[in-house]
Amino acid sequence: SQQGEEDPQALSIQEGENATMNCSYKTSINNLQWYRQNSGRGLVHLILIRSNEREKHSGRLRVTLDTSKKSSSLLITASRAADTASYFCATDFLGNTGNQFYFGTGTSLTVIP
Amino acid sequence: EPEVTQTPSHQVTQMGQEVILRCVPISNHLYFYWYRQILGQKVEFLVSFYNNEISEKSEIFDDQFSVERPDGSNFTLKIRSTKLEDSAMYFCASSERSGRAGANVLTFGAGSRLTVL
Repeated sequence: SQQGEEDPQALSIQEGENATMNCSYKTSINNLQWYRQNSGRGLVHLILIRSNEREKHSGRLRVTLDTSKKSSSLLITASRAADTASYFCATDFLGNTGNQFYFGTGTSLTVIP
Repeated sequence: EPEVTQTPSHQVTQMGQEVILRCVPISNHLYFYWYRQILGQKVEFLVSFYNNEISEKSEIFDDQFSVERPDGSNFTLKIRSTKLEDSAMYFCASSERSGRAGANVLTFGAGSRLTVL
């Protein structure tokens, strides 16, 4: 399966701390994206990193990509209670039309106020 | 901000019944998708659709499933004879372009929860 795997499965931190989530995948990719899902809702796109990029920032989010290790990390700095959600990485693997995204199993983040 | 809308938000059906889930993608998007998520589990790709035909599908998307764009706005997922294991949240998504044309960001609807009894 090309699907990514996030770890940890669950993460609980205090407000103000940083949260780091990791994603590993199996095949070469075009892009890797991170999505967020609030309980019972749809997924919301957070950030995209291309296969030729190593790091990307967006507000309090920092994403890294290591294609040699087939892994990515999402760092949320200065976390807030509102960041409580599940976070998924999604990959579209190189060679197909790019119209099939594979999502990981997700990391459930709880930020304690 | 444009959004993907899905109906119904929750449907309860008896095993063996047909179900149609509806989606209205973002109007200028060309690519449409269905994903499903069994409670607490991973988000699984079902099918992608472009230019009125299936672009790609997963092994989950067997003969019990079909998709259709019956008019210029709706995109539907039909399950012909539902099984207990079809109980899940079904998400519709759309994107502006293909992954080959550049970055392909999916916009998801809020989902339709299907419960099969």
